Amino acid sequence: GIQVEQSPPDLILQEGANSTLRCNFSDSVNNLQWFHQNPWGQLINLFYIPSGTKQNGRLSATTVATERYSLLYISSSQTTDSGVYFCAVERFGQNFVFGPGTRLSVLP
Amino acid sequence: SQTIHQWPATLVQPVGSPLSLECTVEGTSNPNLYWYRQAAGRGLQLLFYSVGIGQISSEVPQNLSASRPQDRQFILSSKKLLLSDSGFYLCAWSGDTINEQFFGPGTRLTVL
Repeated sequence: GIQVEQSPPDLILQEGANSTLRCNFSDSVNNLQWFHQNPWGQLINLFYIPSGTKQNGRLSATTVATERYSLLYISSSQTTDSGVYFCAVERFGQNFVFGPGTRLSVLP
Repeated sequence: SQTIHQWPATLVQPVGSPLSLECTVEGTSNPNLYWYRQAAGRGLQLLFYSVGIGQISSEVPQNLSASRPQDRQFILSSKKLLLSDSGFYLCAWSGDTINEQFFGPGTRLTVL
């Protein structure tokens, strides 16, 4: 099956810093989502982005499907951005496969 | 707008006891429904998915089963829990045109 890798596995930032999270996948996909799992376990949808670039406030994401990767940018990070960020990919006719996640800690 | 509910929020059960977790979706019809499990500090593993009433597909062999008795209700069950069934169980739904998944708040299960 398709393999999904995320980097870095852990990231510690000072409040106000910017960061880039990466998601690599081993085969072509037709769907990709980014999620933020908050400290209470809730998975929050960030982006549904099979290709192209989207922005939502301080967050933006870019997926280059032909090169099999997606990037999540967080600018001016806040302590509330802490948690685990997952990407999940869907290959044609199959179910979503989740990456292992990037654990982000934003320090005040 | 659509909402998804799960209950209970937390559950502590002894080994060998039965299990029933419930998930319901509001504000949509004929959703695709999913059960995931997340072990501590790890990613999500798909357990079951359903495209309609009575239609269940299992992704991994295990001690659990799922049922969909109504269009917007998805139930995860076990007859006898194992220690290894402990984890965080998440239900999700997606529409039948765009497969963007939305997750419920989860149930944290501890088997002692």
